[in-house]
Amino acid sequence: EDKVVQSPLSLVVHEGDTVTLNCSYEVTNFRSLLWYKQEKKAPTFLFMLTSSGIEKKSGRLSSILDKKELFSILNITATQTGDSAVYLCAVLMNYGGSQGNLIFGKGTKLSVKP
Amino acid sequence: NAGVTQTPKFQVLKTGQSMTLQCAQDMNHEYMSWYRQDPGMGLRLIHYSVGAGITDQGEVPNGYNVSRSTTEDFPLRLLSAAPSQTSVYFCASGGGWGEQFFGPGTRLTVL
Repeated sequence: EDKVVQSPLSLVVHEGDTVTLNCSYEVTNFRSLLWYKQEKKAPTFLFMLTSSGIEKKSGRLSSILDKKELFSILNITATQTGDSAVYLCAVLMNYGGSQGNLIFGKGTKLSVKP
Repeated sequence: NAGVTQTPKFQVLKTGQSMTLQCAQDMNHEYMSWYRQDPGMGLRLIHYSVGAGITDQGEVPNGYNVSRSTTEDFPLRLLSAAPSQTSVYFCASGGGWGEQFFGPGTRLTVL
């Protein structure tokens, strides 16, 4: 059975801390891994990772994929209260020739205290 | 460019009633999908479509129907609502092998 597992499920930090969110997966027909941020509304896209070892960065957020060990991490440096959200990891399945489906983990709820 | 739109934003139904959740996108995406999000369960795929006239089941399809008569629209029908269908429903669309864009969601309560 295809599955995506995120850890920790919840995390409380103080502003300025650095956090690492984990995502491991066991899926057939892996295409890409995606990270989304969800703040009480629709998930918004952060990163899509397809190749191992290539870090993607956007401001204080960065992510990397390890296709050999089947995991990804999302790092947030110098956290701010606005980073408080649920971070979702999803694997895009490859069905060959057409856009595949996303399988989501249960998310990591990050709370950043002032 | 409105992206992905969903209506209604909120809905309360009684057990046994039927209704349709609307989803539309203006990005000319071939792929569209419906997810439900429940506390502690993450997002689970209900149905998806890879183009007009083509639909298929996801992880949790029971109690729901879909159709895709146009590229833009992908309605989700609840045939006979049950309390277990109380959830937040998200529609998403994607083009090619890129990211999928989510609509704002519909919060459904079944009494």
